[in-house]
Amino acid sequence: QVQLQESGPRLVQPSQTLSLTCTVSGDSISSGNYYWSWVRQHPEKGLEWIGYIYHTGSTWYNPSLESRLTMSVDTSRNQFSLSLRSVTAADTAVYYCTRDMRSRWFDFWGQGSPVIVS
Amino acid sequence: DIVLTQSPGTLSLSPGEGATLSCRASQSLTGSYLAWYQQKPGQAPRLLIFGASTRATGIPDRFSGSGSGTDFTLTINRLEPEDFAVYYCQQYDSSPRTFGQGTKVEIK
Repeated sequence: QVQLQESGPRLVQPSQTLSLTCTVSGDSISSGNYYWSWVRQHPEKGLEWIGYIYHTGSTWYNPSLESRLTMSVDTSRNQFSLSLRSVTAADTAVYYCTRDMRSRWFDFWGQGSPVIVS
Repeated sequence: DIVLTQSPGTLSLSPGEGATLSCRASQSLTGSYLAWYQQKPGQAPRLLIFGASTRATGIPDRFSGSGSGTDFTLTINRLEPEDFAVYYCQQYDSSPRTFGQGTKVEIK
């Protein structure tokens, strides 16, 4: 069974950088069969796709976040990561890492990592 | 960006009843590029439907999806206690992929 697990600080100060890592088990990022995405959910609000990365390191970001966003992948550890710079309170959300069916739907999700910017 | 509008915002129903959830897109989705997810409190969303009507692995057949163009529907036949949750639609017709704001199915 595919499992994803987010890790990272739960509290980030305004103007600092939010960094999260997703560890994948039950599938290999290196297989190249999927993309690997981040999705966030603001409190009591809907879902927002952040961006995806491929095992080659190719990325595609949501234009609304692109100027502050960097994603990376470590295939040796079967992990991918998110770095969001210059955060504000508006970045407070639960951040999910997901397995991405090649820019279509998200079929497996991590449990979510709540991040508060304060 | 494509805006997805879900209705109603909340649906109050009893176990055993049927539920009809709507998702309307701000522009036509070619190829019926729409997915549905279920989210329970404190949990991540779970994929239910992709391609507007194809159930994901392990999803009971009481869940069905239909629609094309701009209007899509998720139907839940004979609600089970575990079906009371929030449901989201998501389009993958164009980037950035976007989600609807959700419909909450609550116990009446």
